[in-house]
Amino acid sequence: DTGVSQNPRHKITKRGQNVTFRCDPISEHNRLYWYRQTLGQGPEFLTYFQNEAQLEKSRLLSDRFSAERPKGSFSTLEIQRTEQGDSAMYLCASSLAGTIDLHFGNGTRLTVT
Amino acid sequence: AQRVTQPEKLLSVFKGAPVELKCNYSYSGSPELFWYVQYSRQRLQLLLRHISRESIKGFTADLNKGETSFHLKKPFAQEEDSAMYYCALRGHNTDKLIFGTGTRLQVFP
Repeated sequence: DTGVSQNPRHKITKRGQNVTFRCDPISEHNRLYWYRQTLGQGPEFLTYFQNEAQLEKSRLLSDRFSAERPKGSFSTLEIQRTEQGDSAMYLCASSLAGTIDLHFGNGTRLTVT
Repeated sequence: AQRVTQPEKLLSVFKGAPVELKCNYSYSGSPELFWYVQYSRQRLQLLLRHISRESIKGFTADLNKGETSFHLKKPFAQEEDSAMYYCALRGHNTDKLIFGTGTRLQVFP
């Protein structure tokens, strides 16, 4: 499968711990997006990159959240000092610059206990 | 504010019945709208976009600027159409998508 890959699929952590998720986009895609989805809601934009540059970041993204894409390929999303409200599905998507055809991964489901 | 509203959480129909999934948006400018679909145990994927004016899997969607709507329609629903459908809007001067809350379509045999 050459689609967008996300790891891990599931993560259970205790409140206050740090977690990191990884996303590997489709290889020729230079845009990479992070979204968050909670139960009963649609995907909510967090941030996106073009190559290694972070072009936009949602105001919803608190200082506890940070995303990187150091070499313009894979990306990581780190959440520090997790809270129960961080429990959600974290989705990664990629696309070619100039298109808005997002290819999504299967997501990482985070549960904060 | 840019917003997408999908008023129905669940839409249930019988096979062969017409389907209309509602989507309304608020946006000041020329909108770019999309429908994404998520079948059971599969990832979210693009179904269609308004600028293409295409029919995918028998679905069509027409942008109505007067009513600020982009409803998804299919004349004869099939069981395999059962899925979660999300309407999305491209934000102003950005390449991010703003999604609605989604509508679950159930097609009964």
